[in-house]
Amino acid sequence: NAGVTQTPKFRILKIGQSMTLQCTQDMNHNYMYWYRQDPGMGLKLIYYSVGAGITDKGEVPNGYNVSRSTTEDFPLRLELAAPSQTSVYFCASSSGTAYGYTFGSGTRLTVV
Amino acid sequence: GQNIDQPTEMTATEGAIVQINCTYQTSGFNGLFWYQQHAGEAPTFLSYNVLDGLEEKGRFSSFLSRSKGYSYLLLKELQMKDSASYLCAAPNAGNMLTFGGGTRLMVKP
Repeated sequence: NAGVTQTPKFRILKIGQSMTLQCTQDMNHNYMYWYRQDPGMGLKLIYYSVGAGITDKGEVPNGYNVSRSTTEDFPLRLELAAPSQTSVYFCASSSGTAYGYTFGSGTRLTVV
Repeated sequence: GQNIDQPTEMTATEGAIVQINCTYQTSGFNGLFWYQQHAGEAPTFLSYNVLDGLEEKGRFSSFLSRSKGYSYLLLKELQMKDSASYLCAAPNAGNMLTFGGGTRLMVKP
């Protein structure tokens, strides 16, 4: 049982480049989330999804986009990367409030 | 909105007991989570409280007072491997977690 799988683990982007962070879960969870964590800080919600075909903005959505075409996959797209997007990105999934989140191992992104 | 506060850093000695506090202000209450996060790793679930009182799980216990908007995580018999960040988090009605900034715990020999 793989849980939540994120790829890549590390990436360096140049300013203005684009990329997609992949996230897949095999637990049939309806809820999926993208968070970013800056050094020494807590996690901030970027986007979330409550089921296939449904997505919504979180606290810090600017510069990002998501899609949820299947229950399993929730990719995060960065367009026109900026240094302010240097961070660690975590994908998570959940089956409901009482069960908490299962997190992926994270993607460490540096924009130079 | 939701607001969660916890101390930034704490230091404790191996074998001791440490209490990490968390105060929260939420629009509606849907429980309170504690997560552990080792450096460079993802957060992992420690506890979830919805009712007032203390819940014990081995060396870790979590306390909740809904009337005071207050929770704490109690770690007993500290070990070096307990050096990590501890994140307090509250879900809203839509199952979105708002996290505090985390408390970095350093355990010294």
